[in-house]
Amino acid sequence: QSVLTQPPSVSGAPGQRVTISCTGINSNLGAGYDVHWYQQLPRTAPKLLIYGDTNRPSGVPDRFSGSKSGTSASLAITGLQAEDEADYYCQSYDNSLSAYVFGTGTTVTVL
Amino acid sequence: EVQLVESGGGLVQPGGSLRLSCAVSGFRFSDHYMDWVRQTPGKGLEWVGRIRHKVGSYITEYAPSVKGRFTISRDDSKSSLYLQMNSLNTEDTAVYYCVRAVLHRNWNFDLWGRGTLVTVSS
Repeated sequence: QSVLTQPPSVSGAPGQRVTISCTGINSNLGAGYDVHWYQQLPRTAPKLLIYGDTNRPSGVPDRFSGSKSGTSASLAITGLQAEDEADYYCQSYDNSLSAYVFGTGTTVTVL
Repeated sequence: EVQLVESGGGLVQPGGSLRLSCAVSGFRFSDHYMDWVRQTPGKGLEWVGRIRHKVGSYITEYAPSVKGRFTISRDDSKSSLYLQMNSLNTEDTAVYYCVRAVLHRNWNFDLWGRGTLVTVSS
C-alpha cells in the first residue's frame, strides 16, 4: 500500500522547471527517515534518482534535485527535457508499519 | 556489467504456489542485503521483503501483506536470490523485482532487475 502521497501527474514545456511533492506522516518522513526518488521510464524497471533526500547517484544529471522538510519532500526537474517523461516515485521507511513504503507515483509529461 | 535477472513468473491459480529466482552478476552478491519489490497497476510499488547477508545472520523481514505466506532465501555460492510464494491470491498479481539494498543513513534500492510477471487467476 502507498502511504506517501504524490500528485498523479505534472507537466511542463521543454526547458521549464517542474516539482513533484511527496507527503508523508509522522511515522515516516516526519520521523526523520530519508526520502529517496526513483525514475521509471516506459516499460523499464525503476532507477534510483535521488537518495538520502538530496544526493544524486553517479550519472544522474544535476537537473534533478531533492529536498525534504518535516513530513514533506520534493523532487525538482529544471530544464525539462523530452527524455524526462517518466513515472517518478518517492520512497522512505515507516516505523508503524515496519516496512519500506513508496509514494503513489507521478507521471511527468513534457508538452 | 551489473545484472539482476529474475525468472519463474507465470500464471498460477488462487491458493497456489510459485518460486521466483534472481541471478545476480557484476557485484559481490554475498556482501549485500537483497530485497524483493513488486508493482501492480492499481497499487503501484510495494516492498515485499528482505534478506540480510551472512554477517547479518541471513535475517529476513517481510511486509505485513505477505508475512507468513512468502519466504525469501539466498544462495551466496550461486549469487542467487529466491522468493517462495504460497497461498497466492489475486492481489499478489504483480511484476516482481529483485533489488539490491544499500545503506546511506537509511536504506534505499540502488539496483533493480527487469522483473518477472506473476499472474494469479483462475
